[in-house]
Amino acid sequence: GQQVMQIPQYQHVQEGEDFTTYCNSSTTLSNIQWYKQRPGGHPVFLIQLVKSGEVKKQKRLTFQFGEAKKNSSLHITATQTTDVGTYFCARPNFNKFYFGSGTKLNVKP
Amino acid sequence: GAGVSQSPSNKVTEKGKDVELRCDPISGHTALYWYRQRLGQGLEFLIYFQGNSAPDKSGLPSDRFSAERTGESVSTLTIQRTQQEDSAVYLCASSFGQGSEKLFFGSGTQLSVL
Repeated sequence: GQQVMQIPQYQHVQEGEDFTTYCNSSTTLSNIQWYKQRPGGHPVFLIQLVKSGEVKKQKRLTFQFGEAKKNSSLHITATQTTDVGTYFCARPNFNKFYFGSGTKLNVKP
Repeated sequence: GAGVSQSPSNKVTEKGKDVELRCDPISGHTALYWYRQRLGQGLEFLIYFQGNSAPDKSGLPSDRFSAERTGESVSTLTIQRTQQEDSAVYLCASSFGQGSEKLFFGSGTQLSVL
């Protein structure tokens, strides 16, 4: 119903490796947002996807929205230690937002 | 102000006491949200205010929790008779509202109930 499932829960990578987190919904989404929360910090908005099949890039980050608008992914190319944190997807529900459980990324230098 | 401001940043209280958490949203933001984040967990929706409309309280976990907002400004989240399971970071966020706007979060209040 209102939940979005995120996988994996944790990911440990070596610096320079790629990273992907996935967000899945059982129902069609009007749009989806992604946030990043650094350790000890608060969530910060990264991007919003609206269109079916949409792909957006921010430097090393690539965001995709599935054709059926039921899933989304965030891919980081060549991770850096500054990418450490927890990545959340968020789905709107009548003007409020429900967050996925997050994927915690750890990058070893 | 420049961002969402929350106070206090840390609050330690004894079980059974009442606590009040404050949130100052970004000026001009009509929507205001409260979320709870337990250690290592995701964000749990608590309550949503939009302008002068009746708030959406569907996420409040019990009647010990309440929140108020004066117009489109400051909001307070009150927890009565605190329990140890109330220990968490309470995050406030604001947005321009009326649709899927991006949320701007405050730094949160770390609540510890002993």
